[in-house]
Amino acid sequence: EIVLTQSPATLSLSPGERATLSCRASQSIRLYLAWYQQKPGQAPRLLIYDASNRATGIPARFSGSGSGTDFTLTINNLEPEDFAVYYCQHRSNWPYTFGQGTKLEIK
Amino acid sequence: QVHLVESGGGVVQPGRSLRLSCAASGFTFSSYALHWVRQAPGKGLEWVAVMSYNGNDKYYTDSVKGRFTVSRDNSKNTLYLQMNSLRAEDTSVYYCARDMRENYYFYMDVWGKGTTVTVSS
Repeated sequence: EIVLTQSPATLSLSPGERATLSCRASQSIRLYLAWYQQKPGQAPRLLIYDASNRATGIPARFSGSGSGTDFTLTINNLEPEDFAVYYCQHRSNWPYTFGQGTKLEIK
Repeated sequence: QVHLVESGGGVVQPGRSLRLSCAASGFTFSSYALHWVRQAPGKGLEWVAVMSYNGNDKYYTDSVKGRFTVSRDNSKNTLYLQMNSLRAEDTSVYYCARDMRENYYFYMDVWGKGTTVTVSS
């Protein structure tokens, strides 16, 4: 099973700042990584797929990068609605797994 | 509009069984793989299982293998999760999610609101 480790666990920033979230895989997953956003009481929402492709309707301030074992989600010019928990997930093999999440909170 | 609605959750004693359902609408159900993902209270997301678009293939996370069975009825546009020998650690919100590519395994782009399963004596 591939383990995804996200860092930091919590990130405290202010609106307008840039957020940089990390996800590291226990083995190479090529480009097979997605990022999801989850707000309290809601289902997750797909943001980025295959490391760097924005899902339908996702604003351009969200971008993803990386390959192999190291991946980054960057959120530029944070909006109030961006404060949430973010998860990475791989599709390299079965079972799919998620990272433990990064909570982006308002400073 | 694409829609997934889970049902069947509830409170169940350890060792008992429960069957969850996921009713789909707004898309060609038989063309998409469907996943179950769960989230324990206050915890992160855990991928549970997937069934291929045609029902020929299914995969599970290790912690549910041999206890949970995923199935689908394409004539009813419904996905199921049969959960047997339930344990306290199965307590979670269970989400049904659609794969984003037809006839393929990819990522999950449409999610239901979830149904809550509580395993407690």
